[in-house]
Amino acid sequence: GAVVSQHPSWVICKSGTSVKIECRSLDFQATTMFWYRQFPKQSLMLMATSNEGSKATYEQGVEKDKFLINHASLTLSTLTVTSAHPEDSSFYICGVDTNTEAFFGQGTRLTVV
Amino acid sequence: GNSVTQMEGPVTLSEEAFLTINCTYTATGYPSLFWYVQYPGEGLQLLLKATKADDKGSNKGFEATYRKETTSFHLEKGSVQVSDSAVYFCALTPESGGYQKVTFGTGTKLQVIP
Repeated sequence: GAVVSQHPSWVICKSGTSVKIECRSLDFQATTMFWYRQFPKQSLMLMATSNEGSKATYEQGVEKDKFLINHASLTLSTLTVTSAHPEDSSFYICGVDTNTEAFFGQGTRLTVV
Repeated sequence: GNSVTQMEGPVTLSEEAFLTINCTYTATGYPSLFWYVQYPGEGLQLLLKATKADDKGSNKGFEATYRKETTSFHLEKGSVQVSDSAVYFCALTPESGGYQKVTFGTGTKLQVIP
């Protein structure tokens, strides 16, 4: 299977600043990676699917200008939360689609103060 | 749309107790059903899966049976260990496939005490 490494595991940032979260596929050439978000007591919700070398596909209700996704190589996708606000505080997790199974990183706990 | 409902936690059990975590789903047709586990500080890992009705997925002593008539996929283990302490997510992918379209439940935190 694929090993997915996500960094950082947790981050605290000030309101109005931007935060970048990295997702690396360590042993699989991932053409498709995806990002989920989980608010307290809610399900993991798909935010967007990133495709290597092309624009990400965002789910309805997710602001693409606020959540910038870059998938410039087969092993790295990044999610940048721009001008973060307290309501963006959440658990973000990335995953890799190997066509036979999905593999996930350990997640990033973002707290905006 | 698709949805997954699982029991709220946390669930606290003594070692060697019997575990059941309920999961029901809403989806058209025959989705594939999964249980993922997240140990502290680690990523989500696939625990078991079932891809058609009446299939039983099993792994590490955990089992779950795909029940189409009750749209359920309850997770069970006969004797839990402290090392089973984790968050468990029930999930599905639609019949049409696509692992990027995984729909998750809210997760159930299990704590096993010695």
